[in-house]
Amino acid sequence: EPEVTQTPSHQVTQMGQEVILRCVPISNHLYFYWYRQILGQKVEFLVSFYNNEISEKSEIFDDQFSVERPDGSNFTLKIRSTKLEDSAMYFCASTTGQGLTDTQYFGPGTRLTVL
Amino acid sequence: AQKITQTQPGMFVQEKEAVTLDCTYDTSDPSYGLFWYKQPSSGEMIFLIYQGSYDQQNATEGRYSLNFQKARKSANLVISASQLGDSAMYFCAMREVSGSARQLTFGSGTQLTVLP
Repeated sequence: EPEVTQTPSHQVTQMGQEVILRCVPISNHLYFYWYRQILGQKVEFLVSFYNNEISEKSEIFDDQFSVERPDGSNFTLKIRSTKLEDSAMYFCASTTGQGLTDTQYFGPGTRLTVL
Repeated sequence: AQKITQTQPGMFVQEKEAVTLDCTYDTSDPSYGLFWYKQPSSGEMIFLIYQGSYDQQNATEGRYSLNFQKARKSANLVISASQLGDSAMYFCAMREVSGSARQLTFGSGTQLTVLP
């Protein structure tokens, strides 16, 4: 069964450093998302991406964040200058469409720890 | 106002018994979808079940069923015949028609522990 994959599973970085989180969505999916879950808290929407551009972003997704689909398979989230409060689990999700029945399938997550 | 409310931070159930996890939602959209995800201690998010706002029947998927009460705006997850592997965090989420991205809005989750 096809699945969303994410690398790395765990990333430790120093405050102020840039990180790139990588995702490979399910191959026939067209809509891609990043979500964040701070430890012990709810999952929060960051950004959605369709047709090579951002379709919507939350207030969390400020200028420090960017997303890219550099080729036909990868979908990346870059944090330019990490802060301590960026420590969280980051989930990538993908779906075939934006119909209400189109389930978003999540990757296993990348746990980002900022020191 | 919270869009998705899960009032049970933690629940315990005896193995082989049924358990209901509560979820209430708030939306003015006539069309929306409700989802339940399971998050084991390993951290991944596993899709369990979906209920559409116009669905006449409650959704079922194996041991999972959804008790959907539209007038009450509730979409409770029922797990029958609980197994030890069901111990996990469970999130209720909603997807509304409004908003171009139709992203999911999650509740705060319920930590379910199945006791042997």
